[in-house]
Amino acid sequence: KAGVTQTPRYLIKTRGQQVTLSCSPISGHRSVSWYQQTPGQGLQFLFEYFSETQRNKGNFPGRFSGRQFSNSRSEMNVSTLELGDSALYLCASSLNRGTSNYGYTFGSGTRLTVV
Amino acid sequence: GQQLNQSPQSMFIQEGEDVSMNCTSSSIFNTWLWYKQDPGEGPVLLIALYKAGELTSNGRLTAQFGITRKDSFLNISASIPSDVGIYFCAGQNSGGSNYKLTFGKGTLLTVNP
Repeated sequence: KAGVTQTPRYLIKTRGQQVTLSCSPISGHRSVSWYQQTPGQGLQFLFEYFSETQRNKGNFPGRFSGRQFSNSRSEMNVSTLELGDSALYLCASSLNRGTSNYGYTFGSGTRLTVV
Repeated sequence: GQQLNQSPQSMFIQEGEDVSMNCTSSSIFNTWLWYKQDPGEGPVLLIALYKAGELTSNGRLTAQFGITRKDSFLNISASIPSDVGIYFCAGQNSGGSNYKLTFGKGTLLTVNP
């Protein structure tokens, strides 16, 4: 079955712009989480969505937001981009909340570069 | 907040050697996970551990959930060139409202053929 699909794979934006990233979870998975990966900070939790509701949020400013649709697809948005937002943004899905027998399955990520 | 200390940061080994890496935490976790990440890709789950003291194998990989629930290790036996990549540990506390994964900073493994 298809894995977690993230689009686009690469993105270059200018400071001050906004960006929307998309994630399609594995079919039947209802929980979607987002992580930011940078060389300095590593993998950091952004937020988790389940049943179209944000269930948990990491320590990121309000410029970072997201949503989940009824088909479990999720989007995250970053407004007023800063240079420090350059990162690999990873989406992970799981069958239900918490760790399934197979943990979370990650997508290949969206590489965002802010110039 | 919870922090994971993963060591070593990097390893350079010869093909055929065994490898060991570990993670320690300042607080307990209910679940430990080990992931591998190749360049340009997302992390791929290798082993999941759900019970303190649990020892689990996946081919040449063996991982253990520490008895204190504050640590875990991953061993790779008879390394091969395709083992190259970054290995991450992750801890999770399931229950309540918090299901996030807390990741270590990773161990970069290089295997010399």
